[in-house]
Amino acid sequence: ELKVEQNPLFLSMQEGKNYTIYCNYSTTSDRLYWYRQDPGKSLESLFVLLSNGAVKQEGRLMASLDTKARLSTLHITAAVHDLSATYFCAVDISGSARQLTFGSGTQLTVLP
Amino acid sequence: GAVVSQHPSWVICKSGTSVKIECRSLDFQATTMFWYRQFPKQSLMLMATSNEGSKATYEQGVEKDKFLINHASLTLSTLTVTSAHPEDSSFYICSARGDVGQGYEQYFGPGTRLTVT
Repeated sequence: ELKVEQNPLFLSMQEGKNYTIYCNYSTTSDRLYWYRQDPGKSLESLFVLLSNGAVKQEGRLMASLDTKARLSTLHITAAVHDLSATYFCAVDISGSARQLTFGSGTQLTVLP
Repeated sequence: GAVVSQHPSWVICKSGTSVKIECRSLDFQATTMFWYRQFPKQSLMLMATSNEGSKATYEQGVEKDKFLINHASLTLSTLTVTSAHPEDSSFYICSARGDVGQGYEQYFGPGTRLTVT
């Protein structure tokens, strides 16, 4: 059974600081996704990581994938209040009907 | 492109009644759609995989007779919560899986918040 673990579950940080969210998964996968969810809203796609060593950046967020370590990171640079949200990673099981298994989410609060 | 809609966005119903939620892919065809449930402060849990023209595949622990899924066309899947109870109150999110043109990505709907009183 595929397990996807995120940490931390809760993250409170000051504006302007940097931090990293980690996503570990237990079995081979060929795709990993990062999503953002605002309260009461659905998911917003942030990144799709398709291969070992993949790195993608959008604004203050940068995601990377290490398939050998089965680890993805979401790095936040110089956080701003607008980044406050819950962030989920999701793993795409290789060879399946492209089902996604989600991590537990990281609730990020950026304090002024 | 790749927009998925859900209707209704929120619904309140009385215990014992049934509620139907629609999921539509607006600008692409989706042979596969997924239904997720999300309780407050929790992650998304896959309930079932809906395949056009065939029976849905339910995840372990999800009652197929309670959560009826119909995927009658390439752009519409419906989830009917039968004999709803307060514990069925949740945020239901669907996604539609695009074909090769969309890189087989999943596109998520805006969600439906169900409250059973």
